[in-house]
Amino acid sequence: NAGVMQNPRHLVRRRGQEARLRCSPMKGHSHVYWYRQLPEEGLKFMVYLQKENIIDESGMPKERFSAEFPKEGPSILRIQQVVRGDSAAYFCASSQQGESNTGELFFGEGSRLTVL
Amino acid sequence: DQQVKQNSPSLSVQEGRISILNCDYTNSMFDYFLWYKKYPAEGPTFLISISSIKDKNEDGRFTVFLNKSAKHLSLHIVPSQPGDSAVYFCAASNIIAADKLIFGTGTRLQVFP
Repeated sequence: NAGVMQNPRHLVRRRGQEARLRCSPMKGHSHVYWYRQLPEEGLKFMVYLQKENIIDESGMPKERFSAEFPKEGPSILRIQQVVRGDSAAYFCASSQQGESNTGELFFGEGSRLTVL
Repeated sequence: DQQVKQNSPSLSVQEGRISILNCDYTNSMFDYFLWYKKYPAEGPTFLISISSIKDKNEDGRFTVFLNKSAKHLSLHIVPSQPGDSAVYFCAASNIIAADKLIFGTGTRLQVFP
């Protein structure tokens, strides 16, 4: 499967626990975006990363949330000390920038976090 | 600050008729606009896009119109089919700046027989 791969698809955590969501971009894509969709709402931008660099984290909550995209391996969105309000679908998308950039983002199927 | 707005949360259309989904934006720096389609429990999938140098782009049953002066775009689906029932998101970006996509809140389209 050459698409954007996210895991886990579903994650249940209790308040105060940590959640780690993983995203492997499409082959050949070096840019990763994380979006969050709260129930009955649209997609909200969280963070934009390139390999080993955070380009734009203007949508990330100031506390408890962090993201990385290491040189090797998937991008990880980490939420520490989760609260019920973190329950949402988290979507990862990737793109190929530079001259090949079509402006289109390719999305994964999302990771649904439920905080009990 | 909602830079991309979809004011109709839902739309119901009979099969075979035209579906028109609307989107407004406020940021004049946006130069690229996209429509995504999303089924429940799936990720958004790209549908059609338009650059700000054009006012229309057509792909099969889907046509996107852009009115830059009004900062408005619309997606026309004709003829509508039951399989088109989904949530449609409008998105915008400044492609020259390689900036992120900003999404609207979505419009749920239901096409009934």
